[in-house]
Amino acid sequence: AQSVAQPEDQVNVAEGNPLTVKCTYSVSGNPYLFWYVQYPNRGLQFLLKYITGDNLVKGSYGFEAEFNKSQTSFHLKKPSALVSDSALYFCAVRDQRSSSASKIIFGSGTRLSIRP
Amino acid sequence: DAGVIQSPRHEVTEMGQEVTLRCKPISGHNSLFWYRQTMMRGLELLIYFNNNVPIDDSGMPEDRFSAKMPNASFSTLKIQPSEPRDSAVYFCASSLGGTLSYEQYFGPGTRLTVT
Repeated sequence: AQSVAQPEDQVNVAEGNPLTVKCTYSVSGNPYLFWYVQYPNRGLQFLLKYITGDNLVKGSYGFEAEFNKSQTSFHLKKPSALVSDSALYFCAVRDQRSSSASKIIFGSGTRLSIRP
Repeated sequence: DAGVIQSPRHEVTEMGQEVTLRCKPISGHNSLFWYRQTMMRGLELLIYFNNNVPIDDSGMPEDRFSAKMPNASFSTLKIQPSEPRDSAVYFCASSLGGTLSYEQYFGPGTRLTVT
């Protein structure tokens, strides 16, 4: 079965410190992976994606994610957290069974809280 | 470019009433998705369309829910009759589709409250 797992419901980080939001995936074949962010009372916003190529992917707002095939992980990272990064973060993987459309399977979400 | 547009942004209705949510996808996108988000159940995919054709409606909770996409620039999600447990935020998303373009772009959502 294809899935993504976000093992942490909440991550707390002090402003200025590095942050990591964890994600692991399970797919057959090569994965297409995504990170989304949701601010309060807003829709999900696309942050970055991995399809192929360099294992370190850079995205919006200074975020990056590292694809690790051996560990089947795609952790989201940022070198220095801002209070404004506080939001709900979703990892997602393309459902490879849906050949005709771009169906995505979302994780359960991780709430990131940055304290001043 | 305009993003995904949803209306209304907020809807409060009484149990038993019909509710219609509307979505305009990003121009040129050929896939459209309806999601529902609640605290208890998280983000759920209800139905999605490709080139205006419904592909998978297995996430539609009951026959009270129906969705249409009469053309490439408009979709509706209808609940008839509505029930309090339908209270949630409903999101529409669209995607360009095709190789290397699977990311979805979400609208601002419609917050539905059924009393």
